[in-house]
Amino acid sequence: EVELVESGGGLVQPGGSLRLSCAASGFSFSSSWMTWVRHAPGKGLEWVANIKQDGSDIHYVDSVRGRFTISRDNAKNSVFLQMNSLRAEDTAVYYCATSPFYFESWGQGALVTVSS
Amino acid sequence: EIVMTQSPTTLSVSPGERATLSCRASETVTSNLAWYQQKPGQAPRLLIHGASTRATGIPARFSGSGYDTEFTLTIHSLQSEDFAIYHCQQYHDWPLTFGGGTKVAIK
Repeated sequence: EVELVESGGGLVQPGGSLRLSCAASGFSFSSSWMTWVRHAPGKGLEWVANIKQDGSDIHYVDSVRGRFTISRDNAKNSVFLQMNSLRAEDTAVYYCATSPFYFESWGQGALVTVSS
Repeated sequence: EIVMTQSPTTLSVSPGERATLSCRASETVTSNLAWYQQKPGQAPRLLIHGASTRATGIPARFSGSGYDTEFTLTIHSLQSEDFAIYHCQQYHDWPLTFGGGTKVAIK
């Protein structure tokens, strides 16, 4: 059974940084694209970033490009999201998910709150 | 960016009735369209991909249709567990984008 477990969320001040982790199990992680999707309060879902199996292809939504970095460690079956220069509008539940284009399996989410 | 617009925002339906949800793309996405169900406090769940292919384990009462810019998710004979928010998502082009969601509420 596919399991994705996010960690690293919390409260951070505007301009601060946070690193999210997602530990994967139950499938061939090194053969799978991985994705981060977020859900801000009262808003729709927003795709954030994707990373190819070997990290050679990465895509970001414009609103986070240059501030967020997605990476992965296939030896540890984990994907990460380094978030810098955080803004209030980055407040959301962040989910990691499998598959490059549509998202078959999701984690339970990690809440990131950006507030002073 | 391809803008996805869902309608209505809220749909009130009685259990056992049929619900019809719409999703429109600002430009063609051919059949690269997925639907998700999300309940409060839970992660989204993939229902449909390829506009009409049910994901693994999804009951047959969920059906998707459409192509190009107009898509429909139909839930036949709504069950109590189907009251939730439904999201559409295009994966035809970057950035991948979602609609604003339709809440299916109990009438």
